[in-house]
Amino acid sequence: QVQLVESGGGLVKPGGSLRLSCGASGFTFDDYYMNWIRQAPGKGLEWISCIGSSGHAIYYTDSVRGRFTISRDNARNSLSLQMNSLIAEDTAVYYCARNPVRITSLGLVNPIWNFDLWGRGTRVTVSS
Amino acid sequence: QSVLTQPPSVSAASGQKVTISCSGSSSSIGNNYVSWYQQLPGTAPKLLIYDNNKRPSGIPARFSGSKSGTSATLAITALQTGDEADYYCGTWDSSLRVVVFGGGSKLTVL
Repeated sequence: QVQLVESGGGLVKPGGSLRLSCGASGFTFDDYYMNWIRQAPGKGLEWISCIGSSGHAIYYTDSVRGRFTISRDNARNSLSLQMNSLIAEDTAVYYCARNPVRITSLGLVNPIWNFDLWGRGTRVTVSS
Repeated sequence: QSVLTQPPSVSAASGQKVTISCSGSSSSIGNNYVSWYQQLPGTAPKLLIYDNNKRPSGIPARFSGSKSGTSATLAITALQTGDEADYYCGTWDSSLRVVVFGGGSKLTVL
């Protein structure tokens, strides 16, 4: 079954740390870029980070750069997000999502920025 | 405040057509593909439209997308009560070098 399953969410105090994981199954994991996208309570979607299929290309949104670290283990079909120095504004449901790539005529791998598979999310609450 | 602008809410009667707009800039919609997502209450988002106007396998033809300049539109025809959801547009912003989403539009089927 093609799916993504997140884990690791919970309640953490401001300034604390948390590590989220996302397990992939049913597809060739290292054919895809992988992302973390979050949704604060009652709010819209916010893309926060992406990692390329080999792990070399990494992107962050400004609000998490320097605090969050994305990584992947292609041998274990897993994606992670290490979150440090957490603040109340990080409270959200965190989704992992994959985006496909396109290989150019020169053999370059370019991400296609749509998310065709999402996990069910894991909830992170930052509160004292 | 989102980089892409959507109406917070839209509504139409069952069986009718509704359109949802998404306005951006030259660095976002103007030079990149747009995708649309449906989020039913209490569930994860689902891809509805990609590359401006393509539908993934399994998405009914009632859902269609278009793009013109720095704006995009999602159209849903033959509305059903099961279409009540939040709809988001998204794209890459070449200047900000991030993925950007609209603020979401809540669809009510009357």
